[in-house]
Amino acid sequence: EVQVLESGGDLVQPGGSLRLSCAASGFTFSIYDMTWVRQAPGKGLEWVSTITTSGDTTSYADSVKGRFTMSRDNSKNTLLLHMNNLRVEDTALYYCARVHLAALRNDYFDYWGQGTLVTVSS
Amino acid sequence: QSALTQPASVSGSPGQSITISCTGTSSDIGGYNYVSWYQQYPGEAPKLMIFDVRQRPSGISNRFSGSKSGNTASLTISGLQAEDEADYYCSSYTSSNTVVFGGGTKLTVL
Repeated sequence: EVQVLESGGDLVQPGGSLRLSCAASGFTFSIYDMTWVRQAPGKGLEWVSTITTSGDTTSYADSVKGRFTMSRDNSKNTLLLHMNNLRVEDTALYYCARVHLAALRNDYFDYWGQGTLVTVSS
Repeated sequence: QSALTQPASVSGSPGQSITISCTGTSSDIGGYNYVSWYQQYPGEAPKLMIFDVRQRPSGISNRFSGSKSGNTASLTISGLQAEDEADYYCSSYTSSNTVVFGGGTKLTVL
């Protein structure tokens, strides 16, 4: 069974840092691009970042560019999101999701985790 | 990148058909056939319903269909059922090599 499980969410002060993890199982992690999508409380979905299979190419939303870094460890089937200089508006449930293998532009996601909550507040 | 525009809410009676619109620009919906739709129940993760404008993943009912005209994409649900009551989000690939979502539409089955 395909599973992705996020962890690392916490309460952090503005300007602080946090590292999210996503553990993948039930599929060959190394052949799939992966993505992070977030959802602020009571709000809609917002794409955050995507990483290719080898980890050498990443893309980010303008709202997090320069502050967030996405990486992966294919030997451990793990995805990471390093978040620096956090802002109140980064408060959200962060989902890890698998990019569909046939998605030519890495634009649709077929398996999602249940999310990990990041709260940025003083 | 601005979010795609969806109506905040739509409603319909069981058995009826409803359509949810999703409006973007020539830099996203209008420029590519890479529109997807997701269904999300409260407290749950989103579920992929449509990709590449009109393709359904395996296991998704054919009551769900997608289309696109110009800068606007649409999701149509026919034979509305109580279990269809959920939030629906569109998304599109963009010319900036990013993905943009719509603001979401709450579907109420009367």
